[in-house]
Amino acid sequence: DARVTQTPRHKVTEMGQEVTMRCQPILGHNTVFWYRQTMMQGLELLAYFRNRAPLDDSGMPKDRFSAEMPDATLATLKIQPSEPRDSAVYFCASGLSSGSLQETQYFGPGTRLLVL
Amino acid sequence: AQSVTQPDIHITVSEGASLELRCNYSYGATPYLFWYVQSPGQGLQLLLKYFSGDTLVQGIKGFEAEFKRSQSSFNLRKPSVHWSDAAEYFCAVGPGGSSYKLIFGSGTRLLVRP
Repeated sequence: DARVTQTPRHKVTEMGQEVTMRCQPILGHNTVFWYRQTMMQGLELLAYFRNRAPLDDSGMPKDRFSAEMPDATLATLKIQPSEPRDSAVYFCASGLSSGSLQETQYFGPGTRLLVL
Repeated sequence: AQSVTQPDIHITVSEGASLELRCNYSYGATPYLFWYVQSPGQGLQLLLKYFSGDTLVQGIKGFEAEFKRSQSSFNLRKPSVHWSDAAEYFCAVGPGGSSYKLIFGSGTRLLVRP
Protein backbone atom coordinates (compact mmCIF):
# COMPACT_ATOMS: atom_id res chain seq x y z
CA ASP A 1 0.00 0.00 0.00
CA ALA A 2 1.97 2.99 -1.28
CA ARG A 3 1.74 6.08 0.89
CA VAL A 4 3.21 9.52 1.24
CA THR A 5 5.34 9.70 4.35
CA GLN A 6 6.19 12.81 6.32
CA THR A 7 8.64 13.45 9.13
CA PRO A 8 8.49 14.57 11.82
CA ARG A 9 4.85 14.02 12.69
CA HIS A 10 5.04 16.59 15.48
CA LYS A 11 7.42 19.45 16.10
CA VAL A 12 7.54 21.95 18.92
CA THR A 13 10.09 24.70 18.59
CA GLU A 14 10.84 28.17 19.79
CA MET A 15 10.42 31.31 17.79
CA GLY A 16 13.46 32.04 15.66
CA GLN A 17 14.53 28.43 15.25
CA GLU A 18 14.85 26.69 11.90
CA VAL A 19 12.29 24.01 11.11
CA THR A 20 12.74 21.38 8.41
CA MET A 21 9.92 19.13 7.33
CA ARG A 22 10.47 16.18 5.04
CA CYS A 23 8.26 14.32 2.64
CA GLN A 24 8.73 11.12 0.71
CA PRO A 25 6.29 11.01 -2.21
CA ILE A 26 4.80 7.83 -3.53
CA LEU A 27 7.32 6.02 -5.70
CA GLY A 28 6.74 6.88 -9.34
CA HIS A 29 4.82 10.07 -8.69
CA ASN A 30 6.22 13.13 -10.41
CA THR A 31 4.42 15.93 -8.59
CA VAL A 32 4.65 17.13 -5.00
CA PHE A 33 2.46 19.64 -3.22
CA TRP A 34 2.96 21.37 0.12
CA TYR A 35 -0.13 22.58 1.96
CA ARG A 36 -0.69 24.35 5.24
CA GLN A 37 -3.86 23.79 7.22
CA THR A 38 -5.11 26.14 9.91
CA MET A 39 -8.49 26.64 11.50
CA MET A 40 -8.76 30.14 10.13
CA GLN A 41 -7.52 29.64 6.57
CA GLY A 42 -8.28 26.00 5.91
CA LEU A 43 -6.04 24.30 3.35
CA GLU A 44 -3.61 26.61 1.57
CA LEU A 45 -1.31 25.53 -1.24
CA LEU A 46 2.23 26.65 -0.46
CA ALA A 47 4.26 25.08 -3.25
CA TYR A 48 4.04 22.76 -6.23
CA PHE A 49 6.79 20.72 -7.87
CA ARG A 50 6.67 18.77 -11.08
CA ASN A 51 9.55 16.49 -12.03
CA ARG A 52 11.47 18.06 -9.12
CA ALA A 53 11.17 21.57 -10.54
CA PRO A 54 9.34 24.22 -8.52
CA LEU A 55 6.49 25.46 -10.68
CA ASP A 56 4.56 27.46 -8.16
CA ASP A 57 5.56 28.77 -4.78
CA SER A 58 3.31 31.81 -4.80
CA GLY A 59 1.59 30.66 -1.63
CA MET A 60 4.79 30.69 0.40
CA PRO A 61 6.10 33.61 2.43
CA LYS A 62 9.33 34.04 0.50
CA ASP A 63 11.32 35.67 3.23
CA ARG A 64 11.24 32.72 5.58
CA PHE A 65 9.97 29.66 3.71
CA SER A 66 11.82 27.57 1.18
CA ALA A 67 10.96 24.31 -0.54
CA GLU A 68 13.25 21.96 -2.42
CA MET A 69 13.39 18.51 -3.95
CA PRO A 70 16.97 17.26 -3.64
CA ASP A 71 15.92 14.08 -5.43
CA ALA A 72 12.78 12.34 -6.62
CA THR A 73 12.26 10.61 -3.29
CA LEU A 74 12.60 13.59 -0.99
CA ALA A 75 10.91 16.97 -0.71
CA THR A 76 11.73 19.44 2.05
CA LEU A 77 10.01 22.50 3.44
CA LYS A 78 12.07 24.81 5.62
CA ILE A 79 11.08 27.72 7.78
CA GLN A 80 13.85 30.03 8.96
CA PRO A 81 13.29 31.81 11.24
CA SER A 82 10.06 30.33 12.52
CA GLU A 83 7.35 32.48 14.06
CA PRO A 84 4.32 31.61 16.22
CA ARG A 85 2.00 32.38 13.30
CA ASP A 86 3.59 29.47 11.42
CA SER A 87 1.95 27.04 13.84
CA ALA A 88 -0.19 24.78 11.68
CA VAL A 89 -0.36 21.33 10.17
CA TYR A 90 1.77 21.01 7.05
CA PHE A 91 0.74 18.41 4.52
CA CYS A 92 2.66 16.98 1.65
CA ALA A 93 0.81 15.38 -1.25
CA SER A 94 2.06 13.65 -4.36
CA GLY A 95 0.52 12.80 -7.69
CA LEU A 96 1.18 11.63 -11.21
CA SER A 97 0.72 14.35 -13.78
CA SER A 98 0.04 13.43 -17.38
CA GLY A 99 -0.55 17.04 -18.40
CA SER A 100 -3.90 16.32 -19.97
CA LEU A 101 -5.91 15.09 -17.04
CA GLN A 102 -6.45 16.42 -13.56
CA GLU A 103 -4.13 14.51 -11.33
CA THR A 104 -5.25 12.95 -8.09
CA GLN A 105 -3.35 14.14 -5.06
CA TYR A 106 -2.47 11.67 -2.33
CA PHE A 107 -1.81 13.21 1.06
CA GLY A 108 0.65 12.35 3.76
CA PRO A 109 -0.26 12.31 7.47
CA GLY A 110 1.06 15.82 8.04
CA THR A 111 3.53 17.52 10.34
CA ARG A 112 1.92 19.32 13.25
CA LEU A 113 4.09 22.34 14.02
CA LEU A 114 3.88 24.46 17.14
CA VAL A 115 6.10 27.51 17.40
CA LEU A 116 6.28 28.96 20.89
CA ALA B 1 -13.59 32.59 -10.16
CA GLN B 2 -13.66 28.97 -9.18
CA SER B 3 -15.04 28.19 -5.77
CA VAL B 4 -16.36 25.34 -3.68
CA THR B 5 -19.04 25.70 -1.07
CA GLN B 6 -19.82 23.23 1.64
CA PRO B 7 -22.79 24.88 3.32
CA ASP B 8 -22.84 22.66 6.40
CA ILE B 9 -20.07 23.25 8.92
CA HIS B 10 -21.30 20.45 11.20
CA ILE B 11 -23.66 17.55 10.66
CA THR B 12 -24.76 15.08 13.31
CA VAL B 13 -26.38 11.78 12.41
CA SER B 14 -27.22 8.65 14.33
CA GLU B 15 -25.29 5.50 13.66
CA GLY B 16 -27.08 3.51 10.99
CA ALA B 17 -28.81 6.54 9.53
CA SER B 18 -28.22 7.76 6.01
CA LEU B 19 -25.93 10.66 5.25
CA GLU B 20 -25.71 13.35 2.61
CA LEU B 21 -23.01 16.01 2.62
CA ARG B 22 -23.52 18.91 0.27
CA CYS B 23 -20.99 20.40 -2.12
CA ASN B 24 -21.60 23.13 -4.66
CA TYR B 25 -19.01 24.45 -7.04
CA SER B 26 -18.62 27.39 -9.31
CA TYR B 27 -16.77 26.74 -12.51
CA GLY B 28 -17.32 27.53 -16.17
CA ALA B 29 -16.75 24.09 -17.60
CA THR B 30 -17.12 20.57 -16.28
CA PRO B 31 -14.65 20.34 -13.44
CA TYR B 32 -12.89 17.40 -11.93
CA LEU B 33 -14.39 16.73 -8.51
CA PHE B 34 -13.06 15.04 -5.42
CA TRP B 35 -14.14 14.12 -1.93
CA TYR B 36 -11.52 13.66 0.78
CA VAL B 37 -11.95 12.58 4.39
CA GLN B 38 -9.74 13.67 7.27
CA SER B 39 -9.87 11.76 10.53
CA PRO B 40 -8.60 13.54 13.65
CA GLY B 41 -4.84 13.92 13.55
CA GLN B 42 -4.61 12.33 10.13
CA GLY B 43 -4.01 13.41 6.58
CA LEU B 44 -6.59 13.63 3.85
CA GLN B 45 -7.69 10.36 2.33
CA LEU B 46 -9.28 10.25 -1.10
CA LEU B 47 -12.82 8.86 -0.95
CA LEU B 48 -13.78 9.20 -4.59
CA LYS B 49 -13.36 11.33 -7.67
CA TYR B 50 -15.31 12.29 -10.76
CA PHE B 51 -13.57 12.99 -14.04
CA SER B 52 -16.15 12.01 -16.66
CA GLY B 53 -18.67 9.35 -17.57
CA ASP B 54 -21.24 7.97 -15.17
CA THR B 55 -22.38 10.78 -12.91
CA LEU B 56 -22.82 8.43 -9.95
CA VAL B 57 -19.42 7.60 -8.57
CA GLN B 58 -18.65 4.86 -6.10
CA GLY B 59 -15.87 5.31 -3.59
CA ILE B 60 -14.26 3.58 -0.69
CA LYS B 61 -15.90 2.84 2.66
CA GLY B 62 -19.36 2.60 1.10
CA PHE B 63 -19.52 6.23 -0.02
CA GLU B 64 -20.91 7.47 -3.30
CA ALA B 65 -21.37 10.87 -4.89
CA GLU B 66 -23.50 12.16 -7.69
CA PHE B 67 -22.47 14.87 -10.10
CA LYS B 68 -25.40 17.07 -11.09
CA ARG B 69 -24.36 19.57 -13.71
CA SER B 70 -27.68 21.45 -13.62
CA GLN B 71 -27.27 22.09 -9.90
CA SER B 72 -23.48 22.49 -9.90
CA SER B 73 -23.42 19.96 -7.11
CA PHE B 74 -21.40 16.92 -6.12
CA ASN B 75 -23.06 15.64 -2.96
CA LEU B 76 -21.60 12.79 -0.97
CA ARG B 77 -23.88 10.05 0.33
CA LYS B 78 -23.76 6.95 2.44
CA PRO B 79 -26.80 4.76 3.15
CA SER B 80 -25.81 3.72 6.65
CA VAL B 81 -23.27 5.62 8.74
CA HIS B 82 -20.84 3.88 11.08
CA TRP B 83 -19.30 5.46 14.16
CA SER B 84 -15.91 5.27 12.44
CA ASP B 85 -17.16 7.68 9.75
CA ALA B 86 -16.93 10.56 12.21
CA ALA B 87 -14.40 12.88 10.57
CA GLU B 88 -14.11 16.01 8.51
CA TYR B 89 -15.04 15.80 4.85
CA PHE B 90 -13.64 18.06 2.14
CA CYS B 91 -14.98 18.58 -1.34
CA ALA B 92 -12.48 19.82 -3.93
CA VAL B 93 -12.64 20.92 -7.53
CA GLY B 94 -9.90 21.00 -10.11
CA PRO B 95 -9.99 22.55 -13.55
CA GLY B 96 -7.93 19.77 -15.05
CA GLY B 97 -5.68 19.89 -18.05
CA SER B 98 -2.45 21.70 -17.45
CA SER B 99 -3.70 23.18 -14.20
CA TYR B 100 -2.80 21.43 -11.00
CA LYS B 101 -4.52 23.51 -8.37
CA LEU B 102 -7.34 22.07 -6.33
CA ILE B 103 -9.83 24.38 -4.74
CA PHE B 104 -10.98 22.95 -1.42
CA GLY B 105 -14.20 23.62 0.39
CA SER B 106 -14.08 24.63 4.02
CA GLY B 107 -15.06 21.16 5.15
CA THR B 108 -18.00 19.55 6.94
CA ARG B 109 -17.44 17.92 10.29
CA LEU B 110 -19.51 14.79 10.74
CA LEU B 111 -20.49 13.69 14.23
CA VAL B 112 -22.06 10.26 14.72
CA ARG B 113 -24.42 9.60 17.62
CA PRO B 114 -24.34 6.10 19.05
